Amino acid sequence: QVQLVESGGGLVKPGGSLRLSCAASGFIFGDYYMTWVRQAPGKGLEWISHISSSGSTLDYADSVKGRFSISRDNDKNVLYLHINSLRAEDTALYYCARMRDSLNYGGDYSYYFDFWGQGTLVTVSS
Amino acid sequence: EVVMTQSPGTLSVSPGERATLSCRASQSVSSNLAWYQHKVGQAPRLLIYGATSRATGVPARFSGSGSGTEFTLTISSLQSEDSAVYYCQQYEDWPPWTFGQGTKVEIK
Repeated sequence: QVQLVESGGGLVKPGGSLRLSCAASGFIFGDYYMTWVRQAPGKGLEWISHISSSGSTLDYADSVKGRFSISRDNDKNVLYLHINSLRAEDTALYYCARMRDSLNYGGDYSYYFDFWGQGTLVTVSS
Repeated sequence: EVVMTQSPGTLSVSPGERATLSCRASQSVSSNLAWYQHKVGQAPRLLIYGATSRATGVPARFSGSGSGTEFTLTISSLQSEDSAVYYCQQYEDWPPWTFGQGTKVEIK
């Protein structure tokens, strides 16, 4: 069955860095787009980044652009999120999710998130 | 950016009763709308995609309706295990993918 297991979270000082990992199993990892979503304490879900199956296409939310970097290793079945210049407002539970494509009438694709991991907690505090 | 607005913020329903959750998009998202169930300490779970299609393994008591800007998630007969926060998400106009703020469903 599809499994996504995040790791790498922890307590870090403002301005610090972390690398989050998401280990995937139960499906052909290299066939799927992947994404990171976070949830700050007491808040809702916020999309922060996605990466295409080959890694050639990346996107970021404005709130993390220039500080976060997404990557993947299709040989190791692992998705990464490098997070730099951390701020207090980056404190959140970080989830990875698999993206499933949906063909639109116009011939282009849209993507929803069909499987999620349980998340890894990042706390930014001095 | 498409803004998603959910109502109500909290819904308290007795077991066996119907729960109706609403989601509105700031512009048309066609049928590119998903619903997720999120329980504390668990991974979010996809319930509905394409506004009306149930994901694999989702009980038939969950149904989605709507298109364009107005959407509804209905739980026909609420069970105790349905206590959770429910989020709608549009995937028509991306990036960014945007979520509603969530509706918390409580069991009376």
